[in-house]
Amino acid sequence: EVQLLESGGGLVQPGGSLRLSCAASGFTFINYAMSWVRQAPGKGLEWVSAIVGSGFTSEYADSVKGRFTISRDNSKNTLYLQMNSLRAEDTAVYYCVKGRQFYESWGRGTLVTVSS
Amino acid sequence: QSVLTQPPSVSAAPGQKVSISCSGSSSNIGSEYVSWYQQVPGAAPQLLIYDNNKRPSGIPDRFSGSKSGTSATLGITGLQTGDEADYYCGTWDSSLSAGVFGGGTKVTVL
Repeated sequence: EVQLLESGGGLVQPGGSLRLSCAASGFTFINYAMSWVRQAPGKGLEWVSAIVGSGFTSEYADSVKGRFTISRDNSKNTLYLQMNSLRAEDTAVYYCVKGRQFYESWGRGTLVTVSS
Repeated sequence: QSVLTQPPSVSAAPGQKVSISCSGSSSNIGSEYVSWYQQVPGAAPQLLIYDNNKRPSGIPDRFSGSKSGTSATLGITGLQTGDEADYYCGTWDSSLSAGVFGGGTKVTVL
């Protein structure tokens, strides 16, 4: 059974940083691209970033480009999202997702709140 | 403003059918596979349809997907109260080099 467990969310001030982690199990992690998708309170889904299985290539939404960095440690089956220069509009539940072309498994999400 | 356009809401009586449209452009739906997701309140989204019309194991055949040109459609037949949820279409946009979603459609069972 595929399991994706996010951690690292919380309350941070504008301009601050957070690093999200996602522990993956139940599948061969290195064989799959992974993504982060977020959902602001009461809003729809927004794709944030994706990374290929090797970790060599990544893509970002324009809204986070230059501020967020996606990475992965295939030896630990873990996906990361380093978030810098956080803004109020980054407040959302962040989901770790298996896949890039389509999102076949989702974690429960971790809430990031950017507020002073 | 979402790249993909969905109706905000649709509704029907139990046992009836609903269709949810998803409109895009040549750089996304027109050239890429479409997927659909169901999100019940308080839960994470769940994959319903991938590659335009394929269902993951465990998804009943009451759910179907189709694509024509730059539009896609999700169909739900034999509507049940448990189908009340938000539904999202998604795909890749080759011009943006980014994943894109529709704004979501709320399905209400009358």
